[in-house]
Amino acid sequence: QKEVEQNSGPLSVPEGAIASLNCTYSDRGSQSFFWYRQYSGKSPELIMFIYSNGDKEDGRFTAQLNKASQYVSLLIRDSQPSDSATYLCAPSRGTSYGKLTFGQGTILTVHP
Amino acid sequence: DGGITQSPKYLFRKEGQNVTLSCEQNLNHDAMYWYRQDPGQGLRLIYYSQIVNDFQKGDIAEGYSVSREKKESFPLTVTSAQKNPTAFYLCASSIGYRGPNTEAFFGQGTRLTVV
Repeated sequence: QKEVEQNSGPLSVPEGAIASLNCTYSDRGSQSFFWYRQYSGKSPELIMFIYSNGDKEDGRFTAQLNKASQYVSLLIRDSQPSDSATYLCAPSRGTSYGKLTFGQGTILTVHP
Repeated sequence: DGGITQSPKYLFRKEGQNVTLSCEQNLNHDAMYWYRQDPGQGLRLIYYSQIVNDFQKGDIAEGYSVSREKKESFPLTVTSAQKNPTAFYLCASSIGYRGPNTEAFFGQGTRLTVV
């Protein structure tokens, strides 16, 4: 079983729609969960992190965490063409543990 | 400005040569990481370090070596033993504390090509 699994996509949604990105993880010791966005040829940049069960909203982005199901998701409302990128999920036990593993990423395409 | 600097941005290597990728951070972060990314793929962990003079192998350490002699620096050497080194290499760092927000900050990457 992979440590972090994401649907690689590509996921294609029309402009203005909701994009739903999913991630499952195997390490039950994971405490924090990070979503990064990576444009082609660029380095990843943090969108959100979440560490409590439930929802966390930041503008058009909502992260959802269910530790019992070992599942974290990212919703993007009112999707824009500029949201087209690869989205990477990274569960973390914290820096004291050291290792930081990423999923393989989901490619999102928002078409006008 | 605080951040992570990787150099060079592009690097060409002849087969059989060792090359060293530089990674420097002035964020006062304890933890540093090296990742490899192949086209259309996610990030795969090569090595990581939580403290000076200590580092651990990640998932794909074979053919690579690192050192952590200074807190600010975590260079990666791609040795001739790495059979397929052509890839995009990313260095990252994160703060060393036990709280929930251990965001990793990334450098701009080094694109290595074997010629």
